[in-house]
Amino acid sequence: DVKVTQSSRYLVKRTGEKVFLECVQDMDHENMFWYRQDPGLGLRLIYFSYDVKMKEKGDIPEGYSVSREKKERFSLILESASTNQTSMYLCASNRGAKAFFGQGTRLTVV
Amino acid sequence: DQQVKQNSPSLSVQEGRISILNCDYTNSMFDYFLWYKKYPAEGPTFLISISSIKDKNEDGRFTVFLNKSAKHLSLHIVPSQPGDSAVYFCAAKSGTYKYIFGTGTRLKVLA
Repeated sequence: DVKVTQSSRYLVKRTGEKVFLECVQDMDHENMFWYRQDPGLGLRLIYFSYDVKMKEKGDIPEGYSVSREKKERFSLILESASTNQTSMYLCASNRGAKAFFGQGTRLTVV
Repeated sequence: DQQVKQNSPSLSVQEGRISILNCDYTNSMFDYFLWYKKYPAEGPTFLISISSIKDKNEDGRFTVFLNKSAKHLSLHIVPSQPGDSAVYFCAAKSGTYKYIFGTGTRLKVLA
């Protein structure tokens, strides 16, 4: 089975901090994604990557950047964390129709 | 503009009965539809999918129906079990990368 692992389950950061969320997948998938989930808004795509060093903006990229230096690893960076970035962050990878998700990182910015 | 809509934020069903979760979409170019189940503080897990060229797919207690003319799909769970209580997300896929998710329906199965 595909395993997508996010480095932290819970994080608390201060406003203005630079925050790194890490994601690793073990199935050699080309495509990786970062979503955030907020109540009543579903899952919204922040960024995705279709190959090493290749990335494209999703629907809500403002305030975020990403890095994909190796195929298995996709990092989400909050350049200067703000309270409106408090959310559940979900990493996913896919090949074919199905996307597989990590366990999520609940980030609280105080 | 939401391309994938789940109009019922919540649903309660008695254990043993059928749960029906609904999803509407607007883009006829979607080629795959998927259902995910999500427990609190966990990532979504894949449940079942259907290609746009089919109208039904079944996997154990879970069946997904697709009505292309109405741009509507539904997930049937029968019989419903307390462990099915979770948030269910409908997703539509377009091309290689693009997944559009609905806002989710919280299912509560009452024992």
